[in-house]
Amino acid sequence: GAVVSQHPSRVICKSGTSVKIECRSLDFQATTMFWYRQFPKQSLMLMATSNEGSKATYEQGVEKDKFLINHASLTLSTLTVTSAHPEDSSFYICSARGGSGYNEQFFGPGTRLTVL
Amino acid sequence: RKEVEQDPGPFNVPEGATVAFNCTYSNSASQSFFWYRQDCRKEPKLLMSVYSSGNEDGRFTAQLNRASQYISLLIRDSKLSDSATYLCVVNMGGGFKTIFGAGTRLFVKA
Repeated sequence: GAVVSQHPSRVICKSGTSVKIECRSLDFQATTMFWYRQFPKQSLMLMATSNEGSKATYEQGVEKDKFLINHASLTLSTLTVTSAHPEDSSFYICSARGGSGYNEQFFGPGTRLTVL
Repeated sequence: RKEVEQDPGPFNVPEGATVAFNCTYSNSASQSFFWYRQDCRKEPKLLMSVYSSGNEDGRFTAQLNRASQYISLLIRDSKLSDSATYLCVVNMGGGFKTIFGAGTRLFVKA
């Protein structure tokens, strides 16, 4: 299957700081990228969907000014958690769709964010 | 009603057992169906797509019943390495979002 990378894999930051997470499709062009959040023992929750060159579509209850998404190219999307607070601590996973599998999503390895 | 519902689990089975997971979806316009596997603290990985005619991949068999809006996954001859959470995934196609079920936890014991 296609490869999606995510960086960093783990980040610990102080409350009030901003954290940027990168998601890259390494061997295919991702027309659509998705950002998910997963709290312990819970399912993936879609935060937003982004298409290259256009504004992201956020799910209900997700603050677009807090979770900034940029999908500047067909291989890169970034999620910036602004003014992070302890309740933002979670596992953030991106996925990308495109390439040979039209509806199949390929997931990045995830980023574990801990806000102190 | 949730858009995608799965058996709550957890399923605790001995090695060699056959185990079946069920999943129902609410939107009849759904077009694509998948089973993903997620290991603890890891990202989900595609296990198999689910086709209307049913499909098999080794010990794994997936079935789709559009009339009942029902998907199943059968695992035969369970291995210890099958222990994971299995996610039922539904996509409506045409750029619509993908909906994940809450997952069913499987524990295979020696």
